Amino acid sequence: DGGITQSPKYLFRKEGQNVTLSCEQNLNHDAMYWYRQDPGQGLRLIYYSQIVNDFQKGDIAEGYSVSREKKESFPLTVTSAQKNPTAFYLCASSMGRDNSPLHFGNGTRLTVT
Amino acid sequence: GNSVTQMEGPVTLSEEAFLTINCTYTATGYPSLFWYVQYPGEGLQLLLKATKADDKGSNKGFEATYRKETTSFHLEKGSVQVSDSAVYFCALQLLAGGTSYGKLTFGQGTILTVHP
Repeated sequence: DGGITQSPKYLFRKEGQNVTLSCEQNLNHDAMYWYRQDPGQGLRLIYYSQIVNDFQKGDIAEGYSVSREKKESFPLTVTSAQKNPTAFYLCASSMGRDNSPLHFGNGTRLTVT
Repeated sequence: GNSVTQMEGPVTLSEEAFLTINCTYTATGYPSLFWYVQYPGEGLQLLLKATKADDKGSNKGFEATYRKETTSFHLEKGSVQVSDSAVYFCALQLLAGGTSYGKLTFGQGTILTVHP
């Protein structure tokens, strides 16, 4: 079955450490996205990528970095510069064409103490 | 800017009750509209969508009609089940420069709990 895999499901880090969240898709989708979900705030776009080796900042990119070296993979690094990194992170992909819906992974819950 | 406003939750209903979750939007163009559902501990799943005015999206007994005159996309279901308990997100997507990058603007989500 095709889908999006995020790993790990739960991640714990100490403040000041960088951490990388994995996202892999086998849907052959061109576009991939990272969203952050906080209680009562819906989802906010961190970064997105339309094609390999290209990505753009979303609404809340500060303190995050991404890469898109392969079509299937779009890892997100939460750096020590991110002031409030504890959140639920969702990766998504789409065909990138008009009105194409997003397919989401099951998320990674990051806790930084 | 573009924004989506959903009715505040949580919403608590008994099984077989009628459900309405209100959603209104502001947008600088003609968006496509979506409802996504998130079950506990999971990502979001597309529930239904509508791409132009007066379109009705439907799936699993849920319906929503794209109302341009009221800029609304309210979600309805005639008879809810315990298994419908989840968080529901309304979202809009705008074309940018003739192509869609799939960027969605989400509402804050509405928690629905259905009791037997």
